[in-house]
Amino acid sequence: DTGVSQNPRHKITKRGQNVTFRCDPISEHNRLYWYRQTLGQGPEFLTYFQNEAQLEKSRLLSDRFSAERPKGSFSTLEIQRTEQGDSAMYLCASSPIPDSYGYTFGSGTRLTVV
Amino acid sequence: AQSVAQPEDQVNVAEGNPLTVKCTYSVSGNPYLFWYVQYPNRGLQFLLKYITGDNLVKGSYGFEAEFNKSQTSFHLKKPSALVSDSALYFCAVRDMTNAGKSTFGDGTTLTVKP
Repeated sequence: DTGVSQNPRHKITKRGQNVTFRCDPISEHNRLYWYRQTLGQGPEFLTYFQNEAQLEKSRLLSDRFSAERPKGSFSTLEIQRTEQGDSAMYLCASSPIPDSYGYTFGSGTRLTVV
Repeated sequence: AQSVAQPEDQVNVAEGNPLTVKCTYSVSGNPYLFWYVQYPNRGLQFLLKYITGDNLVKGSYGFEAEFNKSQTSFHLKKPSALVSDSALYFCAVRDMTNAGKSTFGDGTTLTVKP
């Protein structure tokens, strides 16, 4: 197993365009998390899945953000009608159950909205 | 609600000296506590965790952390710092009674000078 994989590594898009990121977690990990990180800040929670079920979504997340994890394997995070404020590093992490395990993070997708 | 505070943006120590990176937390129930490290141009890596039991936990690369329930703190320590320890360190908390996400602090940049 090569760890958590995120694609693409970098994405530059024009304001108003839609973007989609992909995360492939460690295969035996039931839980998958999406976080967003901006310069000088810690990772900010966006949403998480247990298998294919999306169990929690941040109230800070606008309706322009949506995430899926079909069949409990890989996950996608889509941002519609991107804004400059969406520019950030988008991190994916996975972990096994129970909650006492730490996360394994991917390298992230850096989004720049111009 | 759960939160983490890392009161120091930057910690500077000389190589060979002991280091401490501070973290305080707030949760409704009992906490799971974690430290992660981020090296330049690398993803976040799990360093160590406190679940229950001994208040002093040991982790990777010679790091340890001390859990103090009365002070709601989980400070990261190392007896003798190395230049290669220079990185960005994040503390995170998860409420045992609220399965799901971890909340991260804003990070502390550790610089170890030769």
